[in-house]
Amino acid sequence: EVQLVESGGGLVHPGRSLRLSCTASGFTFGNYALSWLRQAPGRGLEWVGFIRSKSYDETVEYAASVKGRFTISRDDSKSVAYLQMNSLKTEDTAVYYCARGESWLTWGQGTQVTVSS
Amino acid sequence: DIVMTQSPDSLAVSLGERATINCKSSQSLLYSSTNENYLAWYQQKPGQPPKLLFYWASTRESGVPDRFSGSGSGTDFTLTIGSLQAEDVAVYYCQQYYHAPLTFGGGTKVEIK
Repeated sequence: EVQLVESGGGLVHPGRSLRLSCTASGFTFGNYALSWLRQAPGRGLEWVGFIRSKSYDETVEYAASVKGRFTISRDDSKSVAYLQMNSLKTEDTAVYYCARGESWLTWGQGTQVTVSS
Repeated sequence: DIVMTQSPDSLAVSLGERATINCKSSQSLLYSSTNENYLAWYQQKPGQPPKLLFYWASTRESGVPDRFSGSGSGTDFTLTIGSLQAEDVAVYYCQQYYHAPLTFGGGTKVEIK
């Protein structure tokens, strides 16, 4: 069974940083792209970015709203993907999900990130 | 960016009746070399992550009941629940993966009448 578990969420002040982790199991992690998405309270779904597999040179794509502030990386030896979030803004408050794939997605349970002073 | 527009925003359907959700993309999602539509559908229940229902517009994910069906091509797509059950109450989203950025429709909330 595919499982994705996000961790690292919490309350952070504007301008600060936070790193989320996504630990995967139930599939060959290194063969897949990993996406990050978010959902603000009462809102729809927003794609944050993805990192492709080593077969595709681990290329990364980002949404315009986070480009230059967020960085996605992966460690295939640990089956973990990361989302480093810098210069956080109040509008980054959301539940953050990781998902397997860069096309159709299989989602984790999510972790709450709240940016507030 | 490809804009995805869903309609209606919400609908209330009696148990056992049909529910139809529409999704329109701002450009064609049909990739000519593969003849596939780069569209997925998801179901999200309160407090849960989205669950994949369909990919390639009409390929049902394993375990999804066959009362759910996906159809359409190009820019116009439909998710149909053939006979609504109580457990189908949720918000449904379409998503294009034709190219990055991946984009989603605004969601359709399905309730029981």
